[in-house]
Parts: sequence; structure tokens; C-alpha cells
Amino acid sequence: DGGITQSPKYLFRKEGQNVTLSCEQNLNHDAMYWYRQDPGQGLRLIYYSQIVNDFQKGDIAEGYSVSREKKESFPLTVTSAQKNPTAFYLCASSIAGSSYEQYFGPGTRLTVT
Amino acid sequence: AQSVTQLGSHVSVSEGALVLLRCNYSSSVPPYLFWYVQYPNQGLQLLLKYTTGATLVKGINGFEAEFKKSETSFHLTKPSAHMSDAAEYFCAVSVVTGNQFYFGTGTSLTVIP
Repeated sequence: DGGITQSPKYLFRKEGQNVTLSCEQNLNHDAMYWYRQDPGQGLRLIYYSQIVNDFQKGDIAEGYSVSREKKESFPLTVTSAQKNPTAFYLCASSIAGSSYEQYFGPGTRLTVT
Repeated sequence: AQSVTQLGSHVSVSEGALVLLRCNYSSSVPPYLFWYVQYPNQGLQLLLKYTTGATLVKGINGFEAEFKKSETSFHLTKPSAHMSDAAEYFCAVSVVTGNQFYFGTGTSLTVIP
């Protein structure tokens, strides 16, 4: 079955540690996205990539980094510079082009204490 | 710039009653419009989308939405609510000149038996 996988489902880290969230898709989509979701704030775009080896900052990129070395993979690193990293993180992919819907993974809930 | 406003962060309806979730957008160019549903601790699932053509769009699970350009609205409706409709609903907009989605802050739907 085609889809997007995110692992792990739940992740716990100590403050000051970097952590990498995995996102893999087998839909053959060119575009991939990372969102952060907090209660009452909807989805906010962190980074997106339209093609391999290229990515752009979204609205809240500070404290995050990404790579896009393969079409199928778009890992997100939450660095220690992110002041409030506890959140639900969603990865999505789509055919390149703004008329196409985004397909979402199941999400990773990150808790930093 | 594009933006989305969802009026009513919480909506409650009785089982069997009409569901109406409101979405207004702001865009200086023709928009593409989407409705997504999210169940607790899961990713988002596409309900329906409007790109071009017929302004009344039908989606999954009996939902439909109508694009009204004069009112800059894309309200989501369902004639008869079911208990399984209880979830968070997000409206999103993208435009032909861009490569991002802009999400509303979401509406939590409660269905009362």
C-alpha cells in the first residue's frame, strides 16, 4: 500500500538534545512538507521541499533543520535551539503543484522535558 | 498573501442534525480550496477539494462544500450528522502562483447522541 510513514509515534527527549523525526513516502511524490500542530493553532509550516536536494523555510523554521537526499525521505531535526519543541509533528507529501492535495502521515508526538 | 478563517473553534450538533462548518479565505488570486478531517492523534485525511469547474463539491462520508467567490467562502456541510463525524476539521487554501497550503485553525465537531 502506498502512503507516508512517520516514526516513532511517540518520542521523549531531554531538554538540550537534538532529535530527528523520520518521514518516508512511497507515493512517488516530488513535494514533501513538515508541519507543527499545537492546540488551537492549526498547522504551521516548518519546511518544505519541492525536489531532491532543495528545500525552503516555512513560517516557523527557526530551531529546525531538514535534508532531502532521497525523493522518498524528508527527515526533520529538532535542535536544542527550538525554544518550545513539545508538539505534534506532521509530515505530508504531494504531487508538485498547488492544485494537488497533500497526503499526511500519522504524526509524531514529541515531548521534551 | 493568503489566509483562512474558520469561524467557531467548537461546534456541537445532535446526531441526525445538519452539520455546517464555516470557512472564509483571503486570496488575491484564484484559490484552490480543501477540507481535511483529523481524528485524535492521527494525520489529516482529505474530505474534498475545489480546484476549478463545478462550485459544489462532493466528498467522502457524505460531506459537501460550495465555493462562493463573491463571499470568499467554502463552507462544509453534511445533511445528517453521525457519531463517527466527531473530529477536528481543517480548511486549507493554496493558489496557482504559490507552492504552500495555508490552514485554518480548525473546528472541533462534537456530535451529541
